[in-house]
Amino acid sequence: NAGVTQTPKFQVLKTGQSMTLQCAQDMNHNSMYWYRQDPGMGLRLIYYSASEGTTDKGEVPNGYNVSRLNKREFSLRLESAAPSQTSVYFCASSVGQAGVDAFFGQGTRLTVV
Amino acid sequence: QQQVKQSPQSLIVQKGGISIINCAYENTAFDYFPWYQQFPGKGPALLIAIRPDVSEKKEGRFTISFNKSAKQFSLHIMDSQPGDSATYFCAARLNQISFGAGTTVTVRA
Repeated sequence: NAGVTQTPKFQVLKTGQSMTLQCAQDMNHNSMYWYRQDPGMGLRLIYYSASEGTTDKGEVPNGYNVSRLNKREFSLRLESAAPSQTSVYFCASSVGQAGVDAFFGQGTRLTVV
Repeated sequence: QQQVKQSPQSLIVQKGGISIINCAYENTAFDYFPWYQQFPGKGPALLIAIRPDVSEKKEGRFTISFNKSAKQFSLHIMDSQPGDSATYFCAARLNQISFGAGTTVTVRA
């Protein structure tokens, strides 16, 4: 009964380093999303995958890439981390595209120094 | 810029009191208006949602009031309890979900 699992939970990177945030869901959902949450900004959509094999840019895609590895897994990659990417990242999934009843993971707190 | 404007940024209410959070939007094409609740260290979770053709929806102690002509909607938490202390986000859906900035609610015992 895991729902949406994100790894890692915490990460500190140096400017210019790369890393991949992993996300997996076990609910057989079609759509998956990556958001970032910053104080006073709410959640902003980075990328989404409406179904297996498709990915699309959200509101703030610059500096990120994604891969929908299969129906369960959706990863987010930072190729060259910048301090402006310090944030809490949430992965979510839903049955249909833009489902309001999306399930969210517990988040990854990323600090870029 | 945010498509959904939310206020206040934070509020403190006594146990048993009413918490009110307000949101406003401009895009009349939004087709669904959800509210999310987020506890510290957790992801947001859907609390309650309303369609724009409905003026009010109530689920337990949580009520959404929707004013289509004013392009505003609000969340009322009746009989607020310490367990309601959380951050609440309003949102609106078009092709994707746009979130408000969030309101941190603290309920004092």
